[in-house]
Amino acid sequence: AQRVTQPEKLLSVFKGAPVELKCNYSYSGSPELFWYVQYSRQRLQLLLRHISRESIKGFTADLNKGETSFHLKKPFAQEEDSAMYYCALMEGGSRLTFGEGTQLTVNP
Amino acid sequence: DTEVTQTPKHLVMGMTNKKSLKCEQHMGHRAMYWYKQKAKKPPELMFVYSYEKLSINESVPSRFSPECPNSSLLNLHLHALQPEDSALYLCATRDTNTGELFFGEGSRLTVL
Repeated sequence: AQRVTQPEKLLSVFKGAPVELKCNYSYSGSPELFWYVQYSRQRLQLLLRHISRESIKGFTADLNKGETSFHLKKPFAQEEDSAMYYCALMEGGSRLTFGEGTQLTVNP
Repeated sequence: DTEVTQTPKHLVMGMTNKKSLKCEQHMGHRAMYWYKQKAKKPPELMFVYSYEKLSINESVPSRFSPECPNSSLLNLHLHALQPEDSALYLCATRDTNTGELFFGEGSRLTVL
């Protein structure tokens, strides 16, 4: 069985502060992990893939197999980063399941 | 065209009605998905089609019947639904090169 855990339902930070959204996974194989984001009144969209190791909108996420984590980080949060963030695990190349999500609010 | 289009955006139906949700894409993706999303919850996987064949059914009740008539279209036929089936139904396609899923805006279903 696979499982993705996002321990924080809500996270609130001030503009310019660092932000970290936590994600832990449980998977017996080699994990394929993603972060998806849903801005207000917009469709769910991909933010990051672990395999690409890129930075999007200033966000990065590193896969830590020892800690089974894939935390999302940004050094300086912006108000436009306020959104719902989902960590997601792909199994068998096709079954994508989501964590419970973290609602991030960046205050001015 | 890099969008996934879902129709209708809103649907209200009675428990004895038969209706369908439709999803269309022109990105050439050969994997298509249906998800169900309740308020303040993550999307839950329902079905996956790969090359127009059903590859994953997450034990979804038979009152939901998916259909993939061709590589661009995905339907979800609804019959004898229950009020608890009210939710946002999301369609998605997968780019098999990157693994990225592209989501539609969803069809918001209310069952009375």
